[in-house]
Amino acid sequence: GESVGLHLPTLSVQEGDNSIINCAYSNSASDYFIWYKQESGKGPQFIIDIRSNMDKRQGQRVTVLLNKTVKHLSLQIAATQPGDSAVYFCAETNQGGSEKLVFGKGTKLTVNP
Amino acid sequence: NAGVTQTPKFRILKIGQSMTLQCTQDMNHNYMYWYRQDPGMGLKLIYYSVGAGITDKGEVPNGYNVSRSTTEDFPLRLELAAPSQTSVYFCASSYSSGGSYEQYFGPGTRLTVT
Repeated sequence: GESVGLHLPTLSVQEGDNSIINCAYSNSASDYFIWYKQESGKGPQFIIDIRSNMDKRQGQRVTVLLNKTVKHLSLQIAATQPGDSAVYFCAETNQGGSEKLVFGKGTKLTVNP
Repeated sequence: NAGVTQTPKFRILKIGQSMTLQCTQDMNHNYMYWYRQDPGMGLKLIYYSVGAGITDKGEVPNGYNVSRSTTEDFPLRLELAAPSQTSVYFCASSYSSGGSYEQYFGPGTRLTVT
């Protein structure tokens, strides 16, 4: 079946570096994407979202890029901090459909001091 | 606002026992969801509700039941617990406005079935 997946299960970066977390999706009908952050022992927390009519959206220290041609999504975190250490999930949905989110497996980001 | 609250935080069940996981939200959201998260995995949708009195199955509904008698509450029932139901359970809610589809998550319930 169609699902959202991630290229890398783990990512380790130095504090202050930029981080890039990737996500591949296979459902061509998906037109809305969300990135969540999940710290250990907590529920997922919304970071940023993007619609398919956009290819880039920026937030505070985060940027999401969407490449619909290759069905690829990425989350860029600028000046990564120890507090950014967490598991990051991408999720997709079809706005005209059931509006249910489909989550990927997640990438564990570790920030080294 | 307390957001989404879940009880209990932890529970150990014996095989065949039953229990109800409680979920309450105070944001007046119309949509509510139950997910399970197995170790090292993403979230899988168990059941969801688009409003009071309306529920529907998600990806992995077998072994679970839900009800939605009020906007605020969305309990998840396990009737005959099995080891395969050992997982962390998250409740979430969202407001379907045709705009953002952001879901707000509770802190989770860690369930072990032995």
